[in-house]
Amino acid sequence: EVPLEESGGGLVQPGGSLRLSCAASRFSFNRSAMSWVRQAPGKGLEWVSGISATGDITYYTDSVRGRFTVSRDNSKNTLHLEMSSLRVDDTAVYYCARGQAGAAALFDLWGQGTLVTVSS
Amino acid sequence: QPVLTQSPSASASLGASVKLTCTLSSRHNTYAIAWHQQQPGKAPRYLLKIDSDGSHTKGDGIPDRFSGSSSGAERYLTISSLQSEDEAAYFCQTWGTGLHVVFGGGTKLIVL
Repeated sequence: EVPLEESGGGLVQPGGSLRLSCAASRFSFNRSAMSWVRQAPGKGLEWVSGISATGDITYYTDSVRGRFTVSRDNSKNTLHLEMSSLRVDDTAVYYCARGQAGAAALFDLWGQGTLVTVSS
Repeated sequence: QPVLTQSPSASASLGASVKLTCTLSSRHNTYAIAWHQQQPGKAPRYLLKIDSDGSHTKGDGIPDRFSGSSSGAERYLTISSLQSEDEAAYFCQTWGTGLHVVFGGGTKLIVL
């Protein structure tokens, strides 16, 4: 059982929607801020969105604000990313990452990623 | 928000040492950063955090061959006794206000 496991990726048409999930295990999920980071094919890492440990504060990079929504269910140790109005340039591997205790924006644990392809 | 600059590539011989550099924007030269390794086809892995005073804290299970240091706006990752599995992309990361995270463009390390 891996500590962070993403799911929900796939092929979607431009303008479509997709919901990613990240199942957490073997650590205190409800005490950890979490983020989504993506990597377009052959490119570097791009932070997408973050959420506080309690879920009451969310953050987004400018290019996805208004289209993506991050949420979490601490009772199920699960992080979500709801993506809508998807564009071709949203194509990427999406990783969930854990923020370190005391440094929420320092990622000390990564999932294996899930591929999202936006294409007609 | 801070900006991180990395050289696109580096190379070093098997068994040698290499020092990778991540440069912070001048206004943010006191920021801490983190280094992550991404082997080909794999997810990133956290290596260590470097503070502005050069002190560093490594992730779980990271070998002693990996170390960090700092000078001014530059943050370094030194890998000693290079092994073939060290051939990877190395990304530095920092953060601004709240959870706004910034990554450097990454350095692809080739082990000769």
